[in-house]
Amino acid sequence: AQTVTQSQPEMSVQEAETVTLSCTYDTSESNYYLFWYKQPPSRQMILVIRQEAYKQQNATENRFSVNFQKAAKSFSLKISDSQLGDTAMYFCAFDSNYQLIWGAGTKLIIKP
Amino acid sequence: NAGVTQTPKFQVLKTGQSMTLQCAQDMNHNSMYWYRQDPGMGLRLIYYSASEGTTDKGEVPNGYNVSRLNKREFSLRLESAAPSQTSVYFCASMRWGNTGELFFGEGSRLTVL
Repeated sequence: AQTVTQSQPEMSVQEAETVTLSCTYDTSESNYYLFWYKQPPSRQMILVIRQEAYKQQNATENRFSVNFQKAAKSFSLKISDSQLGDTAMYFCAFDSNYQLIWGAGTKLIIKP
Repeated sequence: NAGVTQTPKFQVLKTGQSMTLQCAQDMNHNSMYWYRQDPGMGLRLIYYSASEGTTDKGEVPNGYNVSRLNKREFSLRLESAAPSQTSVYFCASMRWGNTGELFFGEGSRLTVL
């Protein structure tokens, strides 16, 4: 069975610090997509960043970047210069045939 | 541009009552999904519709039915609500060729007493 594991239920850092959220997954597929989604207190889920497995280069979106280790099946999210607005639940997800398999989430709190 | 719209946003039911959650998207997306979100768990797929005219079961379909009314609308029905169905429900849509980028509604909080 394909699974996604987020081992950090909750993290907190000071504003402007860098934080890394971890995610591991299990699949036998060779080509797939991985995602980080953000769910702020308002509840609406928003895509943060996406990585295609066949691309070796790590994806980046402004202050957000990933460390994708395909052999280790690891997909961590780094948030640089964290801001108060980054406070949210972060979900790692894996694409399997147009369905996403979701991790349980990491609650990230940015402290002023 | 409204995106994905869900109604109602909040609902309280008694055990055994029925209700339908409505979802509509205005982005001309092919695929639509219904998820539930429970504390400490990720999203779990209830049903999905890969395209107009098709529906398929997800991970947790028991107790639910769906209808893909047209390309825009995808409804979720609880025929006989149970306390275990207390949850937050999210509708999402995705355009083919844009694998994995789901656009979500704001969620519907359902409480079954």
